Order: sequence, then structure tokens, then C-alpha cells
Amino acid sequence: GAVVSQHPSRVICKSGTSVKIECRSLDFQATTMFWYRQFPKQSLMLMATSNEGSKATYEQGVEKDKFLINHASLTLSTLTVTSAHPEDSSFYICSARESGTKNTDTQYFGPGTRLTVL
Amino acid sequence: GESVGLHLPTLSVQEGDNSIINCAYSNSASDYFIWYKQESGKGPQFIIDIRSNMDKRQGQRVTVLLNKTVKHLSLQIAATQPGDSAVYFCAEIISGGYQKVTFGTGTKLQVIP
Repeated sequence: GAVVSQHPSRVICKSGTSVKIECRSLDFQATTMFWYRQFPKQSLMLMATSNEGSKATYEQGVEKDKFLINHASLTLSTLTVTSAHPEDSSFYICSARESGTKNTDTQYFGPGTRLTVL
Repeated sequence: GESVGLHLPTLSVQEGDNSIINCAYSNSASDYFIWYKQESGKGPQFIIDIRSNMDKRQGQRVTVLLNKTVKHLSLQIAATQPGDSAVYFCAEIISGGYQKVTFGTGTKLQVIP
């Protein structure tokens, strides 16, 4: 099946620094990728939809200048948390939708990145 | 054992029993639904899906039921095993466009050996 990877799996950073998280589709091309955020014991909340070669679409309440998304190729999207603060500590998960196949409804999820801001 | 929608976040069942996890979805325009399993510290894993033109779909040990009239989904797991312990999310999608996935609040399934 389709595989999505994320890197890093865990990151600890100091308050005020920026952190970049990568999401890769390993064996398929993904025109669209999605970024989610999940707090402990809560559901996944969609942050933004990332489209290859164009600007991301952010959900209401998500600061686009704080959560920078770049989808420069059909297999890679990056999320950069700028000037991170402790309240940004969370589990960040990406998903990718396979392009050019019959079933484009299924999204494949990455393993997630645990961000801890000290 | 059976959960009662979103107000019962934890469901405990004996190993070997059947589990029923319920979910109420919000958007009547949603036409595609997926159940995901999430183990601690991992991303969601696809279990089974169903489209709105069906009311039942079966997989290996799992069955999804869809009642569009009351906007209700259920996931039935037969002969529950310890490896089934996880949090289960239902997700609703409107096909076409960006196909944004909206997740339910989730139910934690605990299997008692």
C-alpha cells in the first residue's frame, strides 16, 4: 500500500525557534497533502490543505504566518512552525491523497511528528 | 460491548467479545466515510470505508454500518483481540474538490485479556 513518511518523528526545541517537519509520499505522487494537529486524547484537527505548486489553504483560526507550508514537489510537503512556543507543542500528522488513480478519495497518513517546545 | 456515541470516549470489552463503536457525523452532504484506528504515538491507520450509496460493508472481522437518516455510523469488530486496543475515529468526507476529512472525537477501545 501507499506509504507516507514524516521526519523527524520527534523534535524538542527551545521557545522562539523554528521547526520544519517534512511529509513525503514514498511510492506515489500526491497533488494534495493535508496537515493535522492532534492534542493529547483529542481528535485530529485539520490545519491546512497543501497543493503542489500553489499556496496552501488554511482552516479558520490557523495562522498562516506561523505555520508555513510548502509543497514544492509531488512527493514532499513541509510544515514550518515559526517562533514556536510551548502552546505549539502537539502531535503533527500529515496525509497525502494519491494523484491520477481511480480511487482518489483515500488519504494515507504519516506516522506523525511529536513537537515539544520548552 | 457498545459505546454510546461521542459521549462515551472509552469502551472496554473482553477479549473474544464483539465490539461496537458508534459515531454521529455532522454534515448531511458527506458521502464518503472512513474508520481509522490510531495506536498511541502513531498516525491513523485505515480500517474500512463506506460510500453513501451503501448501508453496510464488511471487511475482515470488521463491519461498518451507515444510517444516513440519522447521520450515524458504527464499526463492529468481531472477536475482539488485544491488538485491537486503540482509539478509533470515524471520518466524513465530501467527495470532489479537496476532499477535506473531518474526524469525529474518537473512542478508545480497551480489550481486557
